[in-house]
Amino acid sequence: KQEVTQIPAALSVPEGENLVLNCSFTDSAIYNLQWFRQDPGKGLTSLLLIQSSQREQTSGRLNASLDKSSGRSTLYIAASQPGDSATYLCAVRSGYNFNKFYFGSGTKLNVKP
Amino acid sequence: KAGVTQTPRYLIKTRGQQVTLSCSPISGHRSVSWYQQTPGQGLQFLFEYFSETQRNKGNFPGRFSGRQFSNSRSEMNVSTLELGDSALYLCASSTGRGPEASRTDTQYFGPGTRLTVL
Repeated sequence: KQEVTQIPAALSVPEGENLVLNCSFTDSAIYNLQWFRQDPGKGLTSLLLIQSSQREQTSGRLNASLDKSSGRSTLYIAASQPGDSATYLCAVRSGYNFNKFYFGSGTKLNVKP
Repeated sequence: KAGVTQTPRYLIKTRGQQVTLSCSPISGHRSVSWYQQTPGQGLQFLFEYFSETQRNKGNFPGRFSGRQFSNSRSEMNVSTLELGDSALYLCASSTGRGPEASRTDTQYFGPGTRLTVL
């Protein structure tokens, strides 16, 4: 059974700092890995999707990497801003036939002005 | 293109009652998945519907059920509500294409329905 873990559970950094969020998964047979952002009481917003054959994806100040063999992904946020404060979740899509998403418990990020 | 919509946004019910939540996916999406999110358990998968058929199910009791209509809209029903059912219920839609297409198929989430059971 696929299990997804995110470390740390919470992170507080001063504005402008570069930071890395970690995600690990137990079964490397994945279709893709996706990073989401969730603001308090809201739904999830997709940030980046990395296909299983890819190593990284970039969007603006965000860069996500994937090492499928070791079951790890990182989300790098450059020059963090207070508006980046949110919970970040990673999810892997895996399984056979009718696959589904498995979510980590998230990293709550607070960027202090 | 309109996003995923969920109604109602907030609900307050008492123990023992039942509740129905609704989700309208993005136009053209045939897959709708439901998730329960609580502070203690995080985001947990309930079930997925594709073309009016449940094709994936999480580990929830039979009190949780769902259905999908021919226009891909989906409803989720919880009967005999318990205090522990208080949560944010999220639905997500995707194209739901076959395994090979799954590599690029992303999920788009609605804003959620906040259910409080008293």
